[in-house]
Amino acid sequence: AQKITQTQPGMFVQEKEAVTLDCTYDTSDPSYGLFWYKQPSSGEMIFLIYQGSYDQQNATEGRYSLNFQKARKSANLVISASQLGDSAMYFCAMRAPNTGTASKLTFGTGTRLQVTL
Amino acid sequence: GAVVSQHPSRVICKSGTSVKIECRSLDFQATTMFWYRQFPKKSLMLMATSNEGSKATYEQGVEKDKFLINHASLTLSTLTVTSAHPEDSSFYICSGWRVSYNEQFFGPGTRLTVL
Repeated sequence: AQKITQTQPGMFVQEKEAVTLDCTYDTSDPSYGLFWYKQPSSGEMIFLIYQGSYDQQNATEGRYSLNFQKARKSANLVISASQLGDSAMYFCAMRAPNTGTASKLTFGTGTRLQVTL
Repeated sequence: GAVVSQHPSRVICKSGTSVKIECRSLDFQATTMFWYRQFPKKSLMLMATSNEGSKATYEQGVEKDKFLINHASLTLSTLTVTSAHPEDSSFYICSGWRVSYNEQFFGPGTRLTVL
């Protein structure tokens, strides 16, 4: 069984600062994918970044980067230069196995990020 | 990317009635769609996997007779909450799996309130 753990229910960060949201995972599958989604108060799930278990480099997408430490089974999201619009709920999710067929996503409990002036 | 729509975005109904929620993939064909449920300030919980032309696969603890899923075409899956009760009030989100991206694309969600 797969499990995603997000230990930070809430985080505060000052505008323009960087923030790290923690995510650890557990799976017995050697092939898996890790995702981060942003959910603003409107409810839509916005895809941010993806990391495959066999990817050699950490994923980056604009201000988002994923600090992937495979041995520690962690996939922390780093948001640089925080903006007020980054205030939202953030979910880490895992897809295992990471094959070409549709696989379920397992979500963590989420971290609510608040960006302050 | 890809676009998935849900209709309605918000619905209020009386206890005992049935409610149908539609999930459409607008610019791709989705042989597989997923239905999630999210309680306030909680995570998304997978309810079922919907496959075009076949029966849905429900997660443990989800009543298939209560939450009817139909995936009649490659672009449409429907979730019907039968004989809804206040405890069924929740945010329901669907996603469509796009083969070429090997990724799920989420709809905007439907907020169901049962009075």
